[in-house]
Formats: sequence, structure tokens, C-alpha cells
Amino acid sequence: AQSVTQPDIHITVSEGASLELRCNYSYGATPYLFWYVQSPGQGLQLLLKYFSGDTLVQGIKGFEAEFKRSQSSFNLRKPSVHWSDAAEYFCAVCGLSGGYNKLIFGAGTRLAVHP
Amino acid sequence: DVKVTQSSRYLVKRTGEKVFLECVQDMDHENMFWYRQDPGLGLRLIYFSYDVKMKEKGDIPEGYSVSREKKERFSLILESASTNQTSMYLCASTQGSGAAGNTIYFGEGSWLTVV
Repeated sequence: AQSVTQPDIHITVSEGASLELRCNYSYGATPYLFWYVQSPGQGLQLLLKYFSGDTLVQGIKGFEAEFKRSQSSFNLRKPSVHWSDAAEYFCAVCGLSGGYNKLIFGAGTRLAVHP
Repeated sequence: DVKVTQSSRYLVKRTGEKVFLECVQDMDHENMFWYRQDPGLGLRLIYFSYDVKMKEKGDIPEGYSVSREKKERFSLILESASTNQTSMYLCASTQGSGAAGNTIYFGEGSWLTVV
């Protein structure tokens, strides 16, 4: 069965520091992978997605993610974090279930940013 | 701009009440979804619909039903609300054949408290 694991529930970084959020997936075929961000009290906003091609994907707000098939990972990175990046981040894989494609989410990583 | 609107942002209902959560999208999308979000569990799919009057169970459909009488509107129904249904509910929509290859757009969420 398809699944997504985000090993870190909470991460705290200082403003200006680099960031890496981990995501591991389980899926038999080539996956469609997504990262979403959720600010407090808000819905989910798409940061970036990977379908095929270049394994380093650029997204909005200065985020990027790298797909590594050998490690079944799709980690999210940002070189310099801003206080406004404090939010919850969700990794997701598009999986086939019951004949339909649907998004399967990880449990999320909550990011706190210290000034 | 893409818009998924959940008309009720915050609700408080009593145990046993029938609850309706409404979602409207203005993008002419075929597919609509209802997710439930709980801390530490990420987003879990309750129901989805790939066409008017069509519906499919997600991962946690028990205690819920849905209605899709018009393409733009997808309603989640709690027939008899219980305290374990206290949660954040997110509606989403996407074009085409499920989530594969297409971005899913989310509403801002409905916070439901059952007392």
C-alpha cells in the first residue's frame, strides 16, 4: 500500500538558517510527489510537485525538493529560512486506490522559526 | 484565481445533531474531495467524487456521507455527530482524472467541535 512518512513532527530553526524537511514514500511505480504548506488557520497551499524529469524541483517561496528514487525520498529544502515560513508542511504522494488516483498525505512537520 | 470555498469556518454542534459542511469550487473541476485533518495523523480522505451524483469512499468514511447534486458543490454530512468527529475538515478539488498529474486546490478548512 502507498504511504508517506515524515519522520520529524516538530523542527525549530533560527531565522536565516538552512532547512531540510524529510519525506519518505512507499509506492510501487513512479510516484507523483507533492509538498504543501499550511499556515495557521488556513488551507493547504502547493509549494511544489514532481512528476518526472529533473529530480531537483523548484517551488514557490524559495523552496526546492529533490527526488531520490534509490532512497524513496523527496526532501524539502530552503537555503535561508524566514520567520514567515513558520507553518506546517505536508508531503504527499499520488497513489492508486480502488481504481482511483488520490493524494496520500504524511502526518506533517511543524516548523518553528526563532528570530 | 482558483477558489475553493468552505462556507462555514467554525462550527459548534451537539452530539447527535445532523451536520452539513458545504464546499463550492469555481474552476469547473470534475473531482472533489473531503479530508479530515487531525494532529499527528495528517490528512485522511473521507470521501471523494469524480462526477456529479458520483461518490467513492475514502479511507475513513464511517459516520459520514456526501452529496454532489451539482458539479461545483460537494457536501459532507455527519448524520449523527459524535465527539470523535471534532476535527478540521478540508475540501479540495482538481481537474481531470483524479490527483495524478493535476494540482489539488484546497479550501481554508472548517473547524468542527462536537460537544
